[in-house]
Amino acid sequence: GQNIDQPTEMTATEGAIVQINCTYQTSGFNGLFWYQQHAGEAPTFLSYNVLDGLEEKGRFSSFLSRSKGYSYLLLKELQMKDSASYLCAGMDSNYQLIWGAGTKLIIKP
Amino acid sequence: IAGITQAPTSQILAAGRRMTLRCTQDMRHNAMYWYRQDLGLGLRLIHYSNTAGTTGKGEVPDGYSVSRANTDDFPLTLASAVPSQTSVYFCASSDTAQNEQFFGPGTRLTVL
Repeated sequence: GQNIDQPTEMTATEGAIVQINCTYQTSGFNGLFWYQQHAGEAPTFLSYNVLDGLEEKGRFSSFLSRSKGYSYLLLKELQMKDSASYLCAGMDSNYQLIWGAGTKLIIKP
Repeated sequence: IAGITQAPTSQILAAGRRMTLRCTQDMRHNAMYWYRQDLGLGLRLIHYSNTAGTTGKGEVPDGYSVSRANTDDFPLTLASAVPSQTSVYFCASSDTAQNEQFFGPGTRLTVL
């Protein structure tokens, strides 16, 4: 079956670094997406990885290891506005996204 | 530029009633999607359309139908609503099926 696993909740301190892990099992693989979703709002796209390695985009970076079925999202210099849920999604062979339940990130001052 | 809009924002519906959730995008995206989001679960795909005139079933299609008469609009219909269809419904679109998806603001539906 297809499955995405990520932690339910994480807590971090303002100004610090946090890594949110995601493991995936999909039928075929066409990339790994990360989205951010603030409470009561729609998900917004953060990053896409299809090849192994690290993709850096400002304070956010995303890593992929296809052989391990593993990805992580790294958030640096945390700000209070980063408090949100972070959704991991794998794209299967039919180009459909399989979504994790999301990781709720709580930032403390 | 509106992007992608949904209507209504929220709705309370009696069980057994018919309801259509509207979704419109102005980005000329080929692909459109309907998801439901329930607490503790990931987004689940209900139906999708890779291009105008075609539709497909997602993970949880039962009780829902869609149509894609043109590029911009992708309405979702609940023929006879049941309480288990209480959820937040998101419409999304992407340029092609392989690209990132852009989400509408969502419709919060309660079926009593």
